[in-house]
Amino acid sequence: AQKVTQAQTEISVVEKEDVTLDCVYETRDTTYYLFWYKQPPSGELVFLIRRNSFDEQNEISGRYSWNFQKSTSSFNFTITASQVVDSAVYFCALHSGAGSYQLTFGKGTKLSVIP
Amino acid sequence: NAGVTQTPKFQVLKTGQSMTLQCAQDMNHNSMYWYRQDPGMGLRLIYYSASEGTTDKGEVPNGYNVSRLNKREFSLRLESAAPSQTSVYFCASSEFGQLILYEQYFGPGTRLTVT
Repeated sequence: AQKVTQAQTEISVVEKEDVTLDCVYETRDTTYYLFWYKQPPSGELVFLIRRNSFDEQNEISGRYSWNFQKSTSSFNFTITASQVVDSAVYFCALHSGAGSYQLTFGKGTKLSVIP
Repeated sequence: NAGVTQTPKFQVLKTGQSMTLQCAQDMNHNSMYWYRQDPGMGLRLIYYSASEGTTDKGEVPNGYNVSRLNKREFSLRLESAAPSQTSVYFCASSEFGQLILYEQYFGPGTRLTVT
């Protein structure tokens, strides 16, 4: 069975603070993919990153960075110097199982950045 | 490119009424998906179509039917709407890969209320 846990339901930070969103996953497969999506107040889902289970290198994209640790089954997302435009719900998702098309989403973390 | 488009954006139905949600993508993706999003539940897969001519059940298929009309279009039908189907519905598409689930691109969503 696959499961994604985002324990933080809501987080509030003051603009320019750094914030980390936690994601813990469960799967028995050795090959799997992890994703992060952003859902701003407008409602659409925006793809942020995909990472496969064989690539544990951390990734940085501007103010965004991702820390993938297989030892703790975590794929955490950090926003540096947060901005009001970062306010959104962020979803972590897992795909595992060859031939499967199912993407398992966490319940999301709502981030509010206060000016 | 419009990406993934959905119609309608909003809909109110009475219990027992039927309707079809339309989805189209212009990215030449093979795979298409229908999700529902409920408060505090993340996204749950209703049905998917791995490729033109095939459809399969996801996590929550009861009460829904789908049609993959052609490579571009994937519709979701509610034959007899129930209040439990009040939700936001998202269509998504992705590249095809047996061992790799490529990132999914989402439409803007349809907000459905069943009274």
